[in-house]
Amino acid sequence: QVQLQQSGAGLLKPSETLSLTCGVAGVSLSDNSWSWIRQPPEKGLEWIGEITHSGNINYNPSLRSRVTISAVSETQFSLTLNSVAAADTAVYYCARGGKMRRFLDSWGQGTLVTVSS
Amino acid sequence: EIVMTQSPATLSVSPGERATFSCRASQSISNSLAWYQQKPGQAPRLLIYGASTRATGVPARFSGSGSGTEFTLTISSLQSEDIAVYFCQQYKNWPPITFGQGTRLEIK
Repeated sequence: QVQLQQSGAGLLKPSETLSLTCGVAGVSLSDNSWSWIRQPPEKGLEWIGEITHSGNINYNPSLRSRVTISAVSETQFSLTLNSVAAADTAVYYCARGGKMRRFLDSWGQGTLVTVSS
Repeated sequence: EIVMTQSPATLSVSPGERATFSCRASQSISNSLAWYQQKPGQAPRLLIYGASTRATGVPARFSGSGSGTEFTLTISSLQSEDIAVYFCQQYKNWPPITFGQGTRLEIK
């Protein structure tokens, strides 16, 4: 049973940088793909991007200019989102996908990130 | 980008009755569809993948069907613990992976 544990700051001011890390237990990053997803309050799910089992990175075109996803170690990956605004207020999740099929079978606990002046 | 559209926005069902959720893709996604259940304050939970395969530990009252552009999630006999928001997600063409906007299930 893989476990994902998220960490990072939850309160930011406009124009600051969001930084979150997801640690995985029980597997290594090379075993699967790993995604970041966000959910604004009372709204739906938006896929931000992923790091694949081979280390490639894919982004949602809607956020590509501000997002960086990278591997921190064999068992940790990170999300950076630049120049945040109130519209970036959301619960951010990390999740595991397959090597070939991108359904998400394990999720982190979620981190509420609030952007407010 | 493939757009996923769910209906209805809210579904009211009596305990023990059948609940049926619909999800439509803007273009054919074969059977590359997953369903998730999200309870308040929790992360989504994978229920179904491959349009019809139950994930590990998912009760048999949950079933999925469909292919191409039209998909259905059915709860055969509603239990109180099934109250949640249900999302569909396509993984045929990415990036980006895309989700439907969700259907909220409530007890009638």
